[in-house]
Amino acid sequence: EAQVTQNPRYLITVTGKKLTVTCSQNMNHEYMSWYRQDPGLGLRQIYYSMNVEVTDKGDVPEGYKVSRKEKRNFPLILESPSPNQTSLYFCASSYRDRESGANVLTFGAGSRLTVL
Amino acid sequence: SQKIEQNSEALNIQEGKTATLTCNYTNYSPAYLQWYRQDPGRGPVFLLLIRENEKEKRKERLKVTFDTTLKQSLFHITASQPADSATYLCAPSLLGGFKTIFGAGTRLFVKA
Repeated sequence: EAQVTQNPRYLITVTGKKLTVTCSQNMNHEYMSWYRQDPGLGLRQIYYSMNVEVTDKGDVPEGYKVSRKEKRNFPLILESPSPNQTSLYFCASSYRDRESGANVLTFGAGSRLTVL
Repeated sequence: SQKIEQNSEALNIQEGKTATLTCNYTNYSPAYLQWYRQDPGRGPVFLLLIRENEKEKRKERLKVTFDTTLKQSLFHITASQPADSATYLCAPSLLGGFKTIFGAGTRLFVKA
């Protein structure tokens, strides 16, 4: 089954304790990205990656790091989490639709992170 | 900066009626527009997209329009069912871009 897998799905941690949220896709997509979703603000892009070793900042990159060493994996790293990073996080992979040129996203199930 | 507006108030309709959701955008000219469905606690799921040179697109009970003059897309669900209850997100996007930006979504409740 084509899918994007995120782990952990739920995590409660404390301020300053480094954590990594893993993301893996099995569709051979070139593009991957991370979003956070907060009530009233919708989905906001944190980082995206166009291919292996190629990443760029989205709209809210502060406090996050990413890496893309393999095509299928795109982990999100919080070096020193703070309470304002409490949120619902989504990883997505995407392909370029040949007919329209559109970037169509497939999302993971989400990771709910609470930072105390 | 690019701005996307979707009705933040929930839409409540009766089963069997047509639900119409609105997506307005400003400060840019998207080449295409996507609609996604999101159920509580789950990731968004792609529904359909419409290109700037298309006025209307249909897929089963779904219909999307794209008016580049009004800078607006309308998303219709005909013969709505309780199973259509979800949040619907629009994403007007530039061609070749990787920064897909989403509206905050409109929550739809279909009452049996």
